[in-house]
This record gives sequence, structure tokens and C-alpha cells, in this order.
Amino acid sequence: DVKVTQSSRYLVKRTGEKVFLECVQDMDHENMFWYRQDPGLGLRLIYFSYDVKMKEKGDIPEGYSVSREKKERFSLILESASTNQTSMYLCASSHRATSSGNTIYFGEGSWLTVV
Amino acid sequence: KQEVTQIPAALSVPEGENLVLNCSFTDSAIYNLQWFRQDPGKGLTSLLLIQSSQREQTSGRLNASLDKSSGRSTLYIAASQPGDSATYLCAVKYTGNQFYFGTGTSLTVIP
Repeated sequence: DVKVTQSSRYLVKRTGEKVFLECVQDMDHENMFWYRQDPGLGLRLIYFSYDVKMKEKGDIPEGYSVSREKKERFSLILESASTNQTSMYLCASSHRATSSGNTIYFGEGSWLTVV
Repeated sequence: KQEVTQIPAALSVPEGENLVLNCSFTDSAIYNLQWFRQDPGKGLTSLLLIQSSQREQTSGRLNASLDKSSGRSTLYIAASQPGDSATYLCAVKYTGNQFYFGTGTSLTVIP
């Protein structure tokens, strides 16, 4: 069974803290994504990576960075957490787009509250 | 930026009713379209994927159709049940690595 695992389901952090959200996939996918989801705004892409050590900015990269040192692992980093980063964070992965059957798989999500 | 729209944002129906959820996209040159279900506080679970060469896909009580020329997809749910209550999202993929998501339709099935 395919699996995208997010290490933390619920986190509470203080303003200014550095926060790491970890994601691991076991499907040998080339692409990995980080989204945030807020009520009324839907899913917004923060960053994605199409290969090890490669990354591209999504729609809302400000205040975030990412790391992909190994193919199966994609980390989202909040350098200095702020209250407006309180949100649900979703990690996803997919194969590179070589066929129209290409699908995307999601983790269970990480709820981050910044106080 | 590619736009994907889902209307209505929320829908409430009595149990047993058949219903249709809508997804519209602005660029018809899609690679595929996928429907997801999301339960509160959880990730997205894939329901159906329609490739660009296909017109529809079926899984149990679910049927998804695709009309690229009009930029529309529908998700048909037959004989709805309270367990179908969730948010349903569609995602469109074009060539390239990104997926474009609608904001979802929140469905409540009333027993």
C-alpha cells in the first residue's frame, strides 16, 4: 500500500521558533510537494521538489524553506514561526509526469499552531 | 495561473439522494483530472482519476465524467449515505509537475 508519512500530526510552537515538518514517501516518487490548507483558501503550494536537492517555489514560499537530501524525504522548515503560519500542512508525492495516469498521494497532514 | 473552480462550496442533501458535484477549469489542455475526498482534519484520499483520453471513470457508487471542450468535470454520487459526508476536491494536471486544486465542495448527507 502506498504511503506518505508526516512525522508530526499536531504541533504547538512559539513565535520565533524554528519548526521542522518531515515527510517520507515509500513509493520511489521523484516529485514531492508541501501545501498549506486554510479555510476558504483551499490548498496552496508552498514548495515542490522534482529531484534530490532540487526545489522550486510554489505560490506562497515566503517564510518557508525546504530540504530534500534523500529521494524519499522532503522537509519543510519555518525559519522563524509566526502566528499567520498557523495552518494545516499537507505533504504529497507523485511520479514525474510521464503518463496521464500520473496521480498524487497525500499524507495525513500536520496541524501547526503558532502561539 | 491555472484556475480550478468548484461550485457550490457546500451542499446538504437527504440520505438516499443522487447528487452531482461540479469542477470547472480554464485551460482545456489537461493531462488528467482527479477527484479526492477529505475528511475533517485528514489528508486527501484519491477517489477517481480520469486521463485526458477518457470520458468517465466509475468506482462503486461514484462516477466521474470529463468534458475537456467545455472545461468541466462532474462527480456523480448515487444513493448518498451519511458516510459520504466529507469535502470533495478536484485537481487538474497539465504537462509539468504541478497539480491545480479547486477549493472543494463540503457535502453533508442528512440521515
